[in-house]
Amino acid sequence: SQQGEEDPQALSIQEGENATMNCSYKTSINNLQWYRQNSGRGLVHLILIRSNEREKHSGRLRVTLDTSKKSSSLLITASRAADTASYFCATDRTGTASKLTFGTGTRLQVTL
Amino acid sequence: EAGVVQSPRYKIIEKKQPVAFWCNPISGHNTLYWYLQNLGQGPELLIRYENEEAVDDSQLPKDRFSAERLKGVDSTLKIQPAELGDSAVYLCASSFGTSGAETQYFGPGTRLLVL
Repeated sequence: SQQGEEDPQALSIQEGENATMNCSYKTSINNLQWYRQNSGRGLVHLILIRSNEREKHSGRLRVTLDTSKKSSSLLITASRAADTASYFCATDRTGTASKLTFGTGTRLQVTL
Repeated sequence: EAGVVQSPRYKIIEKKQPVAFWCNPISGHNTLYWYLQNLGQGPELLIRYENEEAVDDSQLPKDRFSAERLKGVDSTLKIQPAELGDSAVYLCASSFGTSGAETQYFGPGTRLLVL
């Protein structure tokens, strides 16, 4: 079963614009991770944010976490065509012994 | 450093036939995962190994699916017999550690089509 839901399901922007995608989840978590999946390929880890953190940065990525609202957002600044991919949030739920549960994903299309 | 290796990359079989997938994790990674990914969905865990031990197989349909990880390195996932609904991508991932905060490294997956 999917723990999280990403919003929007699909997003199309032009190169240079910022892309924001959101993830909502249902139960308390230890941490939340974001992964990227290019078409026909495996997932690549982007960033991890722990439940006691509110914001984290990595290069052009900014992740926020609001545990009171059970939601997270991933911001990609100055997007590039190479950012075209599906983005998934994955939660490590409290009490599930390090089991990652993935959301449904946001499909991002960055056009030139 | 070599990544997670999976084979085959693609497999087409008729329903009721058996099929097997193979995974070689990153060297030194003690935890191995098999995921199922349906089209347009996120991966769903089938089974997780810590070394040779299957520590979470609650989502594995045990009537037709089986897995093994001999010697705590390579792993195989088998389906017998395959059904039409098994058409999906089967992903293998590995990590070092079991805290839940470690990064999982994914292979490219095996795309299965059952006719």
